[in-house]
Amino acid sequence: DIVMTQTPLSLSVTPGQPASISCKSSQSLLHKDATTFLYWYLQKPGQSPQLLIYNVSSRFFGVPERFSGSGSGTYFTLKISRAAADDAGVYYCMQGIDLPTFGQGTKVEIK
Amino acid sequence: EVHLAESGGGLVQPGQSLRLSCATSGFTFGDYAISWFRQAPGKGLEWVGFIRSNVYGGGTTELAASVKGRFTMSRDDSKGIAYVQMNGLKSEDTAVYYCSDGTYGYWGQGTLVTVSS
Repeated sequence: DIVMTQTPLSLSVTPGQPASISCKSSQSLLHKDATTFLYWYLQKPGQSPQLLIYNVSSRFFGVPERFSGSGSGTYFTLKISRAAADDAGVYYCMQGIDLPTFGQGTKVEIK
Repeated sequence: EVHLAESGGGLVQPGQSLRLSCATSGFTFGDYAISWFRQAPGKGLEWVGFIRSNVYGGGTTELAASVKGRFTMSRDDSKGIAYVQMNGLKSEDTAVYYCSDGTYGYWGQGTLVTVSS
């Protein structure tokens, strides 16, 4: 199985300030078709996960522009340019090049 | 609008069975795989398995090692519903179970399965 490791595991952010979460995979997520299968999700309390970013850097429908993804191979980053109160929750990275596996999750508090 | 809705969860005793359903709308169900995930109370997300499209993948399945031999997945393309049959349930199967479309972009609201005596 591909192991996904997220850092940090928790984060406190002031509204309007930037935030960043890292995700490292134990194997390259680059497929032979040149797609890199790395996803970012946000799970708000009591809700199902919502997709933010797919294929490393593509924002899903309706996702605000303040969310961006970057990286390649085995190292990836999710950035929030200016955190909003609504961004609180647990963020997960997931790989989809093999049978899916998730990072441990990063709990983000906005205060 | 794409919509997925899980149902069938509940409280069962260890060793018993349960079948979950994932009803879908808003997309061409037959063209996509359907994945199942779960989340134990207070824990992270875990992939359970997926069933490929009958058209593009022969309807074959892949299952996580933790459920292989106990869970099976099926689909009814005429109804747009996917199923997971869970046999030999264990306490460690207690979780909210989610289904997702083949792109991993759309998820249902989840259904709670509790395995306890």
